[in-house]
Amino acid sequence: GESVGLHLPTLSVQEGDNSIINCAYSNSASDYFIWYKQESGKGPQFIIDIRSNMDKRQGQRVTVLLNKTVKHLSLQIAATQPGDSAVYFCAEKRNFNKFYFGSGTKLNVKP
Amino acid sequence: GAGVSQSPSNKVTEKGKDVELRCDPISGHTALYWYRQSLGQGLEFLIYFQGNSAPDKSGLPSDRFSAERTGGSVSTLTIQRTQQEDSAVYLCASSRALAGGPTYEQYFGPGTRLTVT
Repeated sequence: GESVGLHLPTLSVQEGDNSIINCAYSNSASDYFIWYKQESGKGPQFIIDIRSNMDKRQGQRVTVLLNKTVKHLSLQIAATQPGDSAVYFCAEKRNFNKFYFGSGTKLNVKP
Repeated sequence: GAGVSQSPSNKVTEKGKDVELRCDPISGHTALYWYRQSLGQGLEFLIYFQGNSAPDKSGLPSDRFSAERTGGSVSTLTIQRTQQEDSAVYLCASSRALAGGPTYEQYFGPGTRLTVT
């Protein structure tokens, strides 16, 4: 069936390096995507969103890229910090306001 | 202001018992979501409330699961005759956006960790 999934379950990066977290989706009708960060024992926290009529959106130290041709979404974190260590989820909105989440990528930032 | 709150934070129950999980959304948020998160997994959509519209229950895994939202605010997720596979973290989120609004950002509560023994 259709799903939202992630290429890498775990990503380890050195503090100060840039991180790239990837997400594949299969529903071409999805028109809105969100990246969430979830720290241990907490609920997910909104990072950045992007609509399907855009291919790039930038926030503070984060950039989301959307490639609708290959149904791929990525989150880039610049100058990764220890506080960025968490699990990152992508989510897609398919119809109305129902969201489907991927299984998550764990980001480990090494000092 | 206050965020989304959930209670209890942890619940241990015996198989076969009923449980009620509570969610207090952010004041003024018209949309409310329930998700389930198993260990090391993503979020599984359960149910969605939007204003006074009929809820979208399409994610509820069985008829043992039900949810209510009273007065457009507090919501209760009820699981009847709990099974061990119901063990998970149950997350609630609220959103102020209506369909077609500028953003669908959901604000999540800390979750309720349910353990069925």
